[in-house]
Amino acid sequence: LAKTTQPISMDSYEGQEVNITCSHNNIATNDYITWYQQFPSQGPRFIIQGYKTKVTNEVASLFIPADRKSSTLSLPRVSLSDTAVYYCLVGQLSYNTDKLIFGTGTRLQVFP
Amino acid sequence: DTAVSQTPKYLVTQMGNDKSIKCEQNLGHDTMYWYKQDSKKFLKIMFSYNNKELIINETVPNRFSPKSPDKAHLNLHINSLELGDSAVYFCASSQDRGEKLFFGSGTQLSVL
Repeated sequence: LAKTTQPISMDSYEGQEVNITCSHNNIATNDYITWYQQFPSQGPRFIIQGYKTKVTNEVASLFIPADRKSSTLSLPRVSLSDTAVYYCLVGQLSYNTDKLIFGTGTRLQVFP
Repeated sequence: DTAVSQTPKYLVTQMGNDKSIKCEQNLGHDTMYWYKQDSKKFLKIMFSYNNKELIINETVPNRFSPKSPDKAHLNLHINSLELGDSAVYFCASSQDRGEKLFFGSGTQLSVL
């Protein structure tokens, strides 16, 4: 399973766009990239998933370059409520996804 | 209605005791999981059940025994609790193996 590397922490201010990059140099052909968000005292919550290029939903955008060795989660105009830990995971939508590895994640702190 | 609910939310107990954590999902999902999040916030899969059948059993001491009476429930029983068992335990479910995960709010276990 591909190992991921993300910044341990990031700071931002309300209204700014936040981009969190995840490195996954050993990503396999069948691997998808998934991001989860975790608030204190809660379980992780699915944000977005993609395979290549760009994916956008009501919460975030996910940019994946052609070589797929990294990905960037983009949160537009963050608010205080976006303060959380963000996890990048890489794995297949199949048997092995049961063993998706959550890394340390990126702790995003949004200031007023 | 809470999609994935687990009880209790907090559990404080003495070393050597036996305790159980219950989990129920009302999403109609086929697969359920138990994850452990330690003090360093690493989230690791412990077990995975698909249609009441054990699929994944990671390197977990046999003091931990999952029980799935039906597809909507996956309980975790822990015998002879040890200090190192102190952590937050999350139950999760997915429509099928490999699909996005829905997590419960966690059970904070403290072993004294």
